[in-house]
Amino acid sequence: DAGITQSPRYKITETGRQVTLMCHQTWSHSYMFWYRQDLGHGLRLIYYSAAADITDKGEVPDGYVVSRSKTENFPLTLESATRSQTSVYFCASLTGLGNTIYFGEGSWLTVV
Amino acid sequence: GESVGLHLPTLSVQEGDNSIINCAYSNSASDYFIWYKQESGKGPQFIIDIRSNMDKRQGQRVTVLLNKTVKHLSLQIAATQPGDSAVYFCAEKVSNFGNEKLTFGTGTRLTIIP
Repeated sequence: DAGITQSPRYKITETGRQVTLMCHQTWSHSYMFWYRQDLGHGLRLIYYSAAADITDKGEVPDGYVVSRSKTENFPLTLESATRSQTSVYFCASLTGLGNTIYFGEGSWLTVV
Repeated sequence: GESVGLHLPTLSVQEGDNSIINCAYSNSASDYFIWYKQESGKGPQFIIDIRSNMDKRQGQRVTVLLNKTVKHLSLQIAATQPGDSAVYFCAEKVSNFGNEKLTFGTGTRLTIIP
């Protein structure tokens, strides 16, 4: 099915481990984003990418790494997970011409 | 820094009544505003948008009003239904030389009372 998909949907990991959240979109949208959602903070931008091989920091980038070797994929890596990174992570995409951002279904990450 | 916020964190409305969700923004350079609906366990879904050069836009049962003078955005939902129960986010977008960024408010939880 076309759209934007995230994996895994649910993940429990230990402090200090590396975790990668995958995001794949089938629309060939130029822009892709990673947000985290926490109670009391709403959606906060972690990183975004305007095109393949172009990434930039958002509001809360510390502790995260992204890459965009292909237009359709935008993985988010927590190099050494901390408990404060327990959150729901949403990937999103946007065409270069349009104004509507489409979200994935989210990845629930718990760091213990 | 610039921010987008919501006036009320929760709102309960009787089924069939109209609801209004409000949002304040502070970035006068924002050129686009969007309302999203998020149901429990799901990602935000686009509802309706409005450009900064417009005052009002209507969709199916929803209307967005933009008052640039006081930097205020509202979402009106007519004849509410149980399926309207969700968290609603306003968001503003500033296009800056090709850098597209969307900033979200903290959300309002709308509960429809049967």
